[in-house]
Amino acid sequence: SQTIHQWPATLVQPVGSPLSLECTVEGTSNPNLYWYRQAAGRGLQLLFYSVGIGQISSEVPQNLSASRPQDRQFILSSKKLLLSDSGFYLCAWSPGNTEAFFGQGTRLTVV
Amino acid sequence: EDKVVQSPLSLVVHEGDTVTLNCSYEVTNFRSLLWYKQEKKAPTFLFMLTSSGIEKKSGRLSSILDKKELFSILNITATQTGDSAVYLCAVPGGSQGNLIFGKGTKLSVKP
Repeated sequence: SQTIHQWPATLVQPVGSPLSLECTVEGTSNPNLYWYRQAAGRGLQLLFYSVGIGQISSEVPQNLSASRPQDRQFILSSKKLLLSDSGFYLCAWSPGNTEAFFGQGTRLTVV
Repeated sequence: EDKVVQSPLSLVVHEGDTVTLNCSYEVTNFRSLLWYKQEKKAPTFLFMLTSSGIEKKSGRLSSILDKKELFSILNITATQTGDSAVYLCAVPGGSQGNLIFGKGTKLSVKP
């Protein structure tokens, strides 16, 4: 069966520091991978989407970036965090344009 | 622009009550509608609906889709405190077929 791992679960970072969140999927090949962000009281906002190694689509302009160095690895990064980057970050995978399955999420607080 | 609107945004009921959560959508090429339950962390998948009028059921939860009127409802009968969560509705849409989420309905079940 497929599983998705996301870490860390919680993170407190100062403004201006870098960020790296990692997500890996097991039990499937060539998944579609997503990074979503959920701000307090709001729905999930798609940040990045990837259909394959090195293929990244960005939905929202921001100071974040994503990379997919391996088929089942998806990384969310920032060179300098802003206060507004605080939120709940979720990695997800799907076999196609159907249901998505989520990792446990990372609660990021920028102070 | 593809979008999903959920109502109500929040709901407080007592154990044993029956609740109905609403989801309306606008999407260019409809493929499916999905319901998720989100407690403290990652959303967990509940239902995927593709055809009008066919009820999906899982225990005390059920859902139905109306593709003519562009909405879906999620029913929970005999609610329990463990049903307290945010319920999210989503449709594949956008430029990449990624899931577009509503803001969710926060359900609180009081003992």
